[in-house]
Order: sequence, then C-alpha cells, then structure tokens
Amino acid sequence: QQQVKQSPQSLIVQKGGISIINCAYENTAFDYFPWYQQFPGKGPALLIAIRPDVSEKKEGRFTISFNKSAKQFSLHIMDSQPGDSATYFCAASKKAGTALIFGKGTTLSVSS
Amino acid sequence: GAGVSQSPSNKVTEKGKDVELRCDPISGHTALYWYRQSLGQGLEFLIYFQGNSAPDKSGLPSDRFSAERTGGSVSTLTIQRTQQEDSAVYLCASSLGITYNEQFFGPGTRLTVL
Repeated sequence: QQQVKQSPQSLIVQKGGISIINCAYENTAFDYFPWYQQFPGKGPALLIAIRPDVSEKKEGRFTISFNKSAKQFSLHIMDSQPGDSATYFCAASKKAGTALIFGKGTTLSVSS
Repeated sequence: GAGVSQSPSNKVTEKGKDVELRCDPISGHTALYWYRQSLGQGLEFLIYFQGNSAPDKSGLPSDRFSAERTGGSVSTLTIQRTQQEDSAVYLCASSLGITYNEQFFGPGTRLTVL
C-alpha cells in the first residue's frame, strides 16, 4: 500500500522552463507535506514544506500548490537551472514526532 | 558540526556478519529517526527516538535490526547476520523535538552485503 504516490518518475526540462512534480495521498490524517531535494551521494535536504491550511507556499523559485479536497500537492520549480538537476521526494506525516512517508522520487534533469 | 553526521560513509561486509552504523544528530535535537533508502523501495522509516521515551520500532523489518540511543544524543543502528537484501543507504535524521515536523538528514551510510 503506497500512501504517497509521486509522478512522474523522471522529468527532463529545458533551462529556464518550469518543472512540475505531483504527489497524491490517501490518508486525511496527514497534516505536514515537505519536499526534499537529493543530490547523488548526499542525504535528502529539506526544500520547502506546507500544511493543509494553506493552498500555496512560495520560497524563491520553488512553490508548493496544495489541493486538500483532491488530496494532491505539487512542486513547481520556476526558471529551472542545471543546478536543480537532482532527485526530488515528496513526503507526508501525520503530526510532529512521527515518521515521514515518502513518495518514490522524481529524477529531474535540466538541460542547458 | 552543524549538521547530522553519520559513520562510516561506506561499509562493505560479508553475508552473515553483524554491522553497526552510527549517527550524531544536530546538537540540541531531541528527536532522531532512522530510514533506509534502497532501489525500488524509496525511503522507508525504520525507528524513531524522542528524548527518554520508548522508541517507535514499528518500521524495523526484522528482529535482526535494532537501534539504541545513548545519553539522548548519538544513536547506533545494528544489523545482525546481514543478508544481501540489507544492502541499502541507511539515513539518519534529527528534529528539534516532538512539536517540530522538520527533519534534517545526514549523508547516509551505504551498506553493501556481499
């Protein structure tokens, strides 16, 4: 049972374009939704996170859009750069102090 | 250091041997998590420590896996009688405490069981 479904598995975007990664969840008890960025050989790094009481959160070129009724959330990377090439994971947790449930990851490649 | 540190960075062992993986959380972080990252399985939760409370062991895949946390800081994950399917990257994360969601990950230990 996959509690957090992430798509696409891989994504190729031109430099300057918009990268969009989608996630869907089933458990309505989830109330924290972070995105992590992982480079090869490194641990995941927290990128941006959102709670279900807001529909959008923006930090620099990164935006999370959240649709509570559809149980979906997405990461948008504006003006994508080659340095953004990495694997991105969405995740969810029920409350503070509980484990993160991760999506399978999306490998993003930004071509110059 | 400022971040979560893990050692060793790489570990190669033979099937049937025991291994110990170490995690040093961020100073002041009372919550500590272990996850496993393997091809095709993504990131899976293993165990969670919060202060002096009993750990949440619900993610441990078998009784060959155990973990301890001494003095509320450093944690050691032990895998006994390693199997080839244990090959993965073992990641440690820490958080400020029970009221904080944000988890910060270390670089991981890549375990290869031959």
